[in-house]
Amino acid sequence: GDSVTQMEGPVTLSEEAFLTINCTYTATGYPSLFWYVQYPGEGLQLLLKATKADDKGSNKGFEATYRKETTSFHLEKGSVQVSDSAVYFCALGDDKIIFGKGTRLHILP
Amino acid sequence: NAGVMQNPRHLVRRRGQEARLRCSPMKGHSHVYWYRQLPEEGLKFMVYLQKENIIDESGMPKERFSAEFPKEGPSILRIQQVVRGDSAAYFCASSPSGISNTGELFFGEGSRLTVL
Repeated sequence: GDSVTQMEGPVTLSEEAFLTINCTYTATGYPSLFWYVQYPGEGLQLLLKATKADDKGSNKGFEATYRKETTSFHLEKGSVQVSDSAVYFCALGDDKIIFGKGTRLHILP
Repeated sequence: NAGVMQNPRHLVRRRGQEARLRCSPMKGHSHVYWYRQLPEEGLKFMVYLQKENIIDESGMPKERFSAEFPKEGPSILRIQQVVRGDSAAYFCASSPSGISNTGELFFGEGSRLTVL
């Protein structure tokens, strides 16, 4: 079945560092790809999405490109802030969304 | 516009008791999804419902778990005869017309079940 694999955390960076969180997927069709973020004590919220190959999703300085040839959807941000500390989930879906295990990100001031 | 509302936020049950978790989707949303998050793990899909219909229950354990989304009122996730392994955070999400159309789920803050 469809699945998502993302890098394990926790990832700890200093403020203003460059961020990459790797995500690869396995799917029989061509699902949409997502990154969701979960702040402490809250539910998940959509960060960005891409619906077809070569699409780039972007939001709040984060971006990810749908790469069909490498089945990847890596999340990047050029300069992280302390407020970016959260758990990030890569996901794919058509009728239902399947999530990766999540990557906890700590940003140090 | 109120978001997805889940209650209770925290629920403690003893082994063998029943747990009922409620979810009111966002206004105008008729699609509801339940996920379970175990400690240090990601979200696992449980069930997808539309009003009065179960669309996909492939993630639901075969026994003790059931879900409904009646014509009136919230969606209910029911766990009978709870065991310690049921301790988890249960998240509800809603969408207006299904993932394939909108591509986004709106999540509640979760219900945290602790089984003693």
